[in-house]
Amino acid sequence: QVQLQESGPGLVKPSETLSLTCSVSGGSITYYQWSWVRQPPGKGLEWIGYINYSGSTNYNPSLESRVTISLDTSKSQISLKLSFVTAADTAVYFCARGIPYHYIDYWGQGTLVTVSS
Amino acid sequence: QSVLTQPPSVSGAPGQRVTISCTGSSSNIGAGYEVHWYQNLPGRAPKLLIYAHNNRPSGVPDRFSGSKSDTSASLAITGLQAEDEADYYCQSYDTRLRLVFGTGTKVTVL
Repeated sequence: QVQLQESGPGLVKPSETLSLTCSVSGGSITYYQWSWVRQPPGKGLEWIGYINYSGSTNYNPSLESRVTISLDTSKSQISLKLSFVTAADTAVYFCARGIPYHYIDYWGQGTLVTVSS
Repeated sequence: QSVLTQPPSVSGAPGQRVTISCTGSSSNIGAGYEVHWYQNLPGRAPKLLIYAHNNRPSGVPDRFSGSKSDTSASLAITGLQAEDEADYYCQSYDTRLRLVFGTGTKVTVL
């Protein structure tokens, strides 16, 4: 069974960089499209961006200037970096596996990141 | 910001039928990209409910169904049950290959 597990600091200071890692087990990292999605408290889902196995990326235009998503195939990990964070970046961050340009079939459990001094 | 618009909430009594609309544009749904639906229970990760307009993954009850027309799509829940109370999101892609989610709809079982 495919499992995705997000990890990283639960508290980040304003203006600093949020860094999260998604570890994939139980399945191959090849072929799929790996997304990061976030959900601020009480709000809807927001797509942050994805990376394809080829290494190509695509980001939400509202976050593009601050986001980097990378893939480490040797470790079966996907990383997210979001720079210059503010309180508006406080959210549950999900890692997700997608069928490229179709649907998301597996989600991590999500990790809450709070931006506060 | 979401480019797929859903009603903020819908409600119905147990056993009733409710529908959730997902309105897009010629830049996403209307461009031919598939529409998928997810169920999001509080404190849980979203779960794929319907893929490619009207297909159900294994284990999803057949009271959930989807449809698509031009630039919009709909999710129908027939025989509404208390366990269906959740948030529902549609999802597609746009012509720049960016993934887009709907604004989300809260389903309340009266």
